[in-house]
Amino acid sequence: GQQVMQIPQYQHVQEGEDFTTYCNSSTTLSNIQWYKQRPGGHPVFLIQLVKSGEVKKQKRLTFQFGEAKKNSSLHITATQTTDVGTYFCAVTSSNTGKLIFGQGTTLQVKP
Amino acid sequence: SQTIHQWPATLVQPVGSPLSLECTVEGTSNPNLYWYRQAAGRGLQLLFYSVGIGQISSEVPQNLSASRPQDRQFILSSKKLLLSDSGFYLCAWNWRQDNSPLHFGNGTRLTVT
Repeated sequence: GQQVMQIPQYQHVQEGEDFTTYCNSSTTLSNIQWYKQRPGGHPVFLIQLVKSGEVKKQKRLTFQFGEAKKNSSLHITATQTTDVGTYFCAVTSSNTGKLIFGQGTTLQVKP
Repeated sequence: SQTIHQWPATLVQPVGSPLSLECTVEGTSNPNLYWYRQAAGRGLQLLFYSVGIGQISSEVPQNLSASRPQDRQFILSSKKLLLSDSGFYLCAWNWRQDNSPLHFGNGTRLTVT
C-alpha cells in the first residue's frame, strides 16, 4: 500500500538555526499536506501542495513539492522556541483515498 | 465557522472496562469523520472513517468499534479495554471533496491500567 517516509525522526537545533524535514514516496503523489502538532496538542493543518515543483511560503516556513511529485520538504529559517513540535506530512492513499501520515519529525529548539 | 468537540480530555480506565469516546462537529453537514490513534512519540494511525450515518470503515483489526448515529456525531467504543489500547485518540473531520484537509479535535488521552 501507499507509504511515505519522513526523515529525520528527531532534530535538536539551537534557536536561530535552520531546520528541514523531508517526506519521500516511491510513487507519484497527487498532493501532499503538512501538519504541525505542538507538545500535548492536536495536529493542525499548515498547507497543501499540488503542483509539480510548487513552492509555498508562510513567514519563516518554506514548503516544496518535488518536480517528480515524489518528495516534499518543509524548511524553517531561523528557528524559534515557538517552532517546537512534531511536523507531519500526509499523502492521499491511491487505494483508499484517505490520508496517510508520515511518522513525523519532532523538533526541539534550545534557547 | 466549523468546530469539533471531543471528550473527555483524559481518561484512566482499568483493563476489561468498557470505553466510549464521543466526537461532534458543528457548523457543517455531511462531513467525513475519522478516528485516529497516536501512541506516545509515534505517528497517527487511522482506526475508522465514516462518509455518512451508519457507514463505518475500519482500517485495522482491533479491540475497538465505531458508530455514527447522527450526521455530526462519531463514537469510539470498546467492550473490554486492553493495556495496548492506551494512547492519544483523535477525532477529525473534513469536507467531502478530494484532498480536503483534516481538522482535528483536541484529543483524548487514554491510559488503561
